[in-house]
Amino acid sequence: RKEVEQDPGPFNVPEGATVAFNCTYSNSASQSFFWYRQDCRKEPKLLMSVYSSGNEDGRFTAQLNRASQYISLLIRDSKLSDSATYLCAVGKGGFKTIFGAGTRLFVKA
Amino acid sequence: EAGVVQSPRYKIIEKKQPVAFWCNPISGHNTLYWYRQNLGQGPELLIRYENEEAVDDSQLPKDRFSAERLKGVDSTLKIQPAELGDSAVYLCASSMDRSTDTQYFGPGTRLTVL
Repeated sequence: RKEVEQDPGPFNVPEGATVAFNCTYSNSASQSFFWYRQDCRKEPKLLMSVYSSGNEDGRFTAQLNRASQYISLLIRDSKLSDSATYLCAVGKGGFKTIFGAGTRLFVKA
Repeated sequence: EAGVVQSPRYKIIEKKQPVAFWCNPISGHNTLYWYRQNLGQGPELLIRYENEEAVDDSQLPKDRFSAERLKGVDSTLKIQPAELGDSAVYLCASSMDRSTDTQYFGPGTRLTVL
């Protein structure tokens, strides 16, 4: 079993839709959680950190469920420009950060 | 503020040839990472530096890969000799220090080994 797992998708949604991705992790000692966005042939860019209390940034909401060991990303009112691959990353306080393989999202007009 | 700088952006070489990648992290960032990303996969850590010390190189194939970070700023990753399976994107990232896992990535070097 991989340490960090994501549904590869692709998720195909129409503009304006709400879409959610989950990411599961196996190490219960994990302390830091992130969502990165990666456009085709570009580097990953930090989208948001995920805190125990959840985190919201505009149309994006991230949540952490420690009991079930997963993090989620919710995108409301999807835009064409949201089409990308979304990587989750799980770290352990200054030690190795493990990235998931990513979930591909296509938003269509 | 300038981001992480990497060069070259693209490199095509024949197998058995050497290749080197260069990275300049964000100013003031003490921690530097080299990752390899294969198509359809997430970045996989090769080596992590805290200043000039390599603190995690457990995933670096040491028979052919080497890295250095002299003076704790710029870093170079080398492959010698390259193999077909080394074709990938090599990403450099940096973070303020080991207490934070928030990493910022450079644009990467896309390596093709023929």
